[in-house]
Amino acid sequence: GDSVTQMEGPVTLSEEAFLTINCTYTATGYPSLFWYVQYPGEGLQLLLKATKADDKGSNKGFEATYRKETTSFHLEKGSVQVSDSAVYFCALSIMNRDDKIIFGKGTRLHILP
Amino acid sequence: DAGVIQSPRHEVTEMGQEVTLRCKPISGHDYLFWYRQTMMRGLELLIYFNNNVPIDDSGMPEDRFSAKMPNASFSTLKIQPSEPRDSAVYFCASSYRGFNEKLFFGSGTQLSVL
Repeated sequence: GDSVTQMEGPVTLSEEAFLTINCTYTATGYPSLFWYVQYPGEGLQLLLKATKADDKGSNKGFEATYRKETTSFHLEKGSVQVSDSAVYFCALSIMNRDDKIIFGKGTRLHILP
Repeated sequence: DAGVIQSPRHEVTEMGQEVTLRCKPISGHDYLFWYRQTMMRGLELLIYFNNNVPIDDSGMPEDRFSAKMPNASFSTLKIQPSEPRDSAVYFCASSYRGFNEKLFFGSGTQLSVL
């Protein structure tokens, strides 16, 4: 079935380090791909999305490219800040009769000052 | 817009009691979702509505859980009777056009069943 696998956390980095959070997916059809972020004590917020192969989603310095050949949607940021500490969820959705969004288990990110 | 509003933010109750969680979606959104988040299982979709009609409740754990959406601006998730294993954070989310569109989440209800 359709699924999302993302790297387990926690991930701990120093401020200004380069960030990569890996996400791969399995899907029938043509999924849309998302990254959501959850700050402490809050609900999830959409960070970025991509709807077709080779699309790049970007927001707040974060980027992810929809790679159909490797079925991946890795999240990257060139220089992280303490305020980026949160849990990041990769997700996919496929529009069909049973359409739903499938979330990965989340990756907790800690940024040290 | 105020966003998706959930109440209460925290609920502590004793096993066997009835619990009601409330949600007000963003005005104009046709879809409403109830999720449960735990460390063990991550985010689980419990049920979702389209235009106030329940579409898929296959994620509802058992008959103790029920959800209603009497109008476009209000939904409830009820657990009766509650059990300790129901302890979790329950999120309500809404969207304009379903799963392929951006989901807007509320801040969640932290439920503790003692």
